[in-house]
Amino acid sequence: DAKTTQPPSMDCAEGRAANLPCNHSTISGNEYVYWYRQIHSQGPQYIIHGLKNNETNEMASLIITEDRKSSTLILPHATLRDTAVYYCIVSPDHNFNKFYFGSGTKLNVKP
Amino acid sequence: DGGITQSPKYLFRKEGQNVTLSCEQNLNHDAMYWYRQDPGQGLRLIYYSQIVNDFQKGDIAEGYSVSREKKESFPLTVTSAQKNPTAFYLCASSRDIVGNSPLHFGNGTRLTVT
Repeated sequence: DAKTTQPPSMDCAEGRAANLPCNHSTISGNEYVYWYRQIHSQGPQYIIHGLKNNETNEMASLIITEDRKSSTLILPHATLRDTAVYYCIVSPDHNFNKFYFGSGTKLNVKP
Repeated sequence: DGGITQSPKYLFRKEGQNVTLSCEQNLNHDAMYWYRQDPGQGLRLIYYSQIVNDFQKGDIAEGYSVSREKKESFPLTVTSAQKNPTAFYLCASSRDIVGNSPLHFGNGTRLTVT
């Protein structure tokens, strides 16, 4: 299964864009990139996912590089409630949806 | 609203006792999963089920058991054989088992065994 590399922590000022990077250099052609976040003592919340093209929804944007070896999650206007651990995950290229959750990036949004 | 319900939120047990954690979903999802999370760490897969009456071991299945008698329910039993049962347990479901199918998580059960 493809693994991902994320920085352990990042800071962002409230109201500014938060850009969270993720490296997935061993990703294969049919594997999706997923982003989840987890606020303390709650279950992970699905944010967005994509295959090749950039994606946008009401929560965030996902930018995937052309070679698909890295991606960036963008929260356009971070709020204090966006403080959480953000997980970048690559879905496996076989017939079972087994996600590997690493340690993620702790995003600290500061006033 | 559709979602996944885990109960109870907090659970306390004495060492040597089996305990069952409940997970119910009304999303009509085929696949369900149990993960364990320890402090400061990511999630590790315990068991998963693709369809009713079928389930498979994940990475850390020893000391755990599951059943899938109904599509909407996937209870997890933590047995006395599990050496370090104190943890945060998360249940999830997905529409199907292929890659383009997000996991939806419950809000977890925090189990403390003393």
